[in-house]
Amino acid sequence: DAGITQSPRHKVTETGTPVTLRCHQTENHRYMYWYRQDPGHGLRLIHYSYGVKDTDKGEVSDGYSVSRSKTEDFLLTLESATSSQTSVYFCAIRPDTGELFFGEGSRLTVL
Amino acid sequence: GDSVTQMEGPVTLSEEAFLTINCTYTATGYPSLFWYVQYPGEGLQLLLKATKADDKGSNKGFEATYRKETTSFHLEKGSVQVSDSAVYFCALFDDYKLSFGAGTTVTVRA
Repeated sequence: DAGITQSPRHKVTETGTPVTLRCHQTENHRYMYWYRQDPGHGLRLIHYSYGVKDTDKGEVSDGYSVSRSKTEDFLLTLESATSSQTSVYFCAIRPDTGELFFGEGSRLTVL
Repeated sequence: GDSVTQMEGPVTLSEEAFLTINCTYTATGYPSLFWYVQYPGEGLQLLLKATKADDKGSNKGFEATYRKETTSFHLEKGSVQVSDSAVYFCALFDDYKLSFGAGTTVTVRA
């Protein structure tokens, strides 16, 4: 158990509505990540954080924002969800050893 | 930027067969390399890693050797089981993030 939980695990929403996904860690690691997983694309980085209030964009950040007000929580927000954001979202944490540990994923469907 | 390319699937094997999944990378430096596995309905789990050239990572009967001369990190297992059916991802760590290959779906039939 890597000490990382995501919520909600499943969500169905409609186009144009805001959505927030939460990632919570109990490991006190500095780095946290949000990836999305789509068939044929592997995992692509959306945003990452390297400390409280310190975040940066990944390769597919358009339409997403993040916040990290506490070490343990990293929030991913879709301000106005679109069908192209239907995906499985994974949060990850990184200890100093370098590898990432992933949560179980949040499946989002935008109708 | 740095990237990985892995063989496309799906791959279907019989139990006890030999498995190889090819992975090559492009990088300006000498990144750490990883293999992750994803079982149906689950998140990604670290399978093995190698942090420098000629390192061999191993776990659960799987092995991969970091080959600088061929920029490769191929995953191998000598005798697969039905429980090895999963999606396998090669990944490269550069500075601050992991970059993933597209994944290879492996199905092992009894």
